[in-house]
Amino acid sequence: DVKVTQSSRYLVKRTGEKVFLECVQDMDHENMFWYRQDPGLGLRLIYFSYDVKMKEKGDIPEGYSVSREKKERFSLILESASTNQTSMYLCASSDVGLVSNEQFFGPGTRLTVL
Amino acid sequence: GQQLNQSPQSMFIQEGEDVSMNCTSSSIFNTWLWYKQDPGEGPVLLIALYKAGELTSNGRLTAQFGITRKDSFLNISASIPSDVGIYFCAGRARDNYGQNFVFGPGTRLSVLP
Repeated sequence: DVKVTQSSRYLVKRTGEKVFLECVQDMDHENMFWYRQDPGLGLRLIYFSYDVKMKEKGDIPEGYSVSREKKERFSLILESASTNQTSMYLCASSDVGLVSNEQFFGPGTRLTVL
Repeated sequence: GQQLNQSPQSMFIQEGEDVSMNCTSSSIFNTWLWYKQDPGEGPVLLIALYKAGELTSNGRLTAQFGITRKDSFLNISASIPSDVGIYFCAGRARDNYGQNFVFGPGTRLSVLP
């Protein structure tokens, strides 16, 4: 069964803290993605990676960075958390190829920055 | 950039009723996906569409890839309480390696017993 796991379901941090969100997939997928989800805005792409050590900016990369040292793991980093980064963060992975477009999502991490 | 609109934003229906929702784009897409998100969970893929005009079913769900390639529709027949959730459409304009999907803002469905 396809599985994407995220390290925490809920996280509370203080302004200025460095925050790590971890995502692991067991499907040997090439592509991995980080989104944030806010009410009324849907899912917005922060960063994605199509290979180990490769990363590309999505639509809203400011204030975030990522790391992909291993194929199965994609980390999202908030260097200095701010209150406007309070959100639900979703990780996803997908295979390559014309047909294998489906993205499989993790359960999400709800981050609150105080 | 590309944007997707979903209609309606939210809907309240009686159990047993049929549901229709749609997704429109300002750009032509080659792929449409429909996801459902239960409260507190990540989105789960319901249906994938790859060809204009395509009609695909998954149980009580049916989705269509619009002929203009700028829209897609999702229908749910005979709704049940577990249909409650947020339904997202996602579209992709290109079929190249690593190209990304754009997600709509979602349609929130509530089913009244």
